[in-house]
Amino acid sequence: EIVMTQSPATVSVSPGERATLSCRASQSVSSNLAWYQQKPGQAPRLLIYGASTRATGTPARFSGSGSGTEFTLTISSLQSEDFAVYYCQQYINWPPFTFGGGTKVEIK
Amino acid sequence: EVQLLQSGGGLVQPGGSLRLSCAASGFTFSNYAMVWVRQTPERALQWVSAISGSGGHTYYADSVKGRFTISRDNSKNTLYLQMNSLKTEDTAVYYCAKEGLEWEFSNWGQGALVTVSS
Repeated sequence: EIVMTQSPATVSVSPGERATLSCRASQSVSSNLAWYQQKPGQAPRLLIYGASTRATGTPARFSGSGSGTEFTLTISSLQSEDFAVYYCQQYINWPPFTFGGGTKVEIK
Repeated sequence: EVQLLQSGGGLVQPGGSLRLSCAASGFTFSNYAMVWVRQTPERALQWVSAISGSGGHTYYADSVKGRFTISRDNSKNTLYLQMNSLKTEDTAVYYCAKEGLEWEFSNWGQGALVTVSS
């Protein structure tokens, strides 16, 4: 089973600033990685797939990068609606699909 | 517009059973694999099960294998998860989700809370 590790657990950012979230896989997942955003009381929402392809409706301020075992989600200029929890997920080697533990982006 | 509308869930005693449903609309249901993912009280996301578009192939997490059964009725555009022999550690919010262009989960249902407690 591929273990996904996200860091940090929580990041405090001021509106308008950049946020950088990391996701590491225990073995290579190539570019088979997705990022999801989850707000309180809501289901996760797909942001990025293929490590760097924005899903339909994902604002351009969200960008994904990386391949192999190291990945980054960058939010270039945080808006109020971006404060949420973000999860990464690998889908190269399944079952099982596996998720990271999440990074909470909170207001500084 | 893709919509996944879930029903089912609730409080059940350990050892009991429950069935979740997920009614799909806005896309050709039979063309897409579907999955169930749960979110624990600690907020961890755990994949539970997957089923191919035709229903001919099913996959399970080790933690639920032999107890849960995923199925679909393509004539009704509905996905199911039959959960038997429930344990307290099965307590979670259960989401259905649709396969995307790769194997990401492109659309999610609203979730259904399953609480296993005596």
